[in-house]
Amino acid sequence: DAGVTQSPTHLIKTRGQQVTLRCSPKSGHDTVSWYQQALGQGPQFIFQYYEEEERQRGNFPDRFSGHQFPNYSSELNVNALLLGDSALYLCASSSGTREQYFGPGTRLTVT
Amino acid sequence: AQSVTQPDIHITVSEGASLELRCNYSYGATPYLFWYVQSPGQGLQLLLKYFSGDTLVQGIKGFEAEFKRSQSSFNLRKPSVHWSDAAEYFCAVGANDMRFGAGTRLTVKP
Repeated sequence: DAGVTQSPTHLIKTRGQQVTLRCSPKSGHDTVSWYQQALGQGPQFIFQYYEEEERQRGNFPDRFSGHQFPNYSSELNVNALLLGDSALYLCASSSGTREQYFGPGTRLTVT
Repeated sequence: AQSVTQPDIHITVSEGASLELRCNYSYGATPYLFWYVQSPGQGLQLLLKYFSGDTLVQGIKGFEAEFKRSQSSFNLRKPSVHWSDAAEYFCAVGANDMRFGAGTRLTVKP
């Protein structure tokens, strides 16, 4: 049973560019959440998708947007990248309001 | 607003010694509480969770945690630490939008 998968593993972008990160949930899960983890800090909630809709959103600007597809996979898009967007981006999946299982993350570096 | 505090940034214990990592939370209702472990450059692995019921919960790798409502705490314990337990440990509260503490880095001395 495959767990949560994320792609790519690493990514280097330049300020002002746009980036798309991808996530496939664990089998049987219908809910995907995204978190940003800056170096030396705990993860911060960006948003959660359920039934292809954004169900809840954390304190992140509109430059951060997402999408969920009918197969429950999800994308995180970040526009107009800033140096401060450099972080590990974690995707987590769950079934309803239960425990979340995390993927290995995508390391984004903005130069 | 919900929040989590992990008072200890870094803890060092000897292999075979007992371990307790502290977690205090602020939450308006009965909280969902979690402990996750993260090895360098990796994602988070769920150690254990508390939703309701028995306040002492058992997790994987020999870890346990006790929910104390009166103290707003959910401390993680292990009776005998192994070198492979060295990692970053995060306490989290919430359901859909989990709030994480800043983490406690555990170093294990041989």
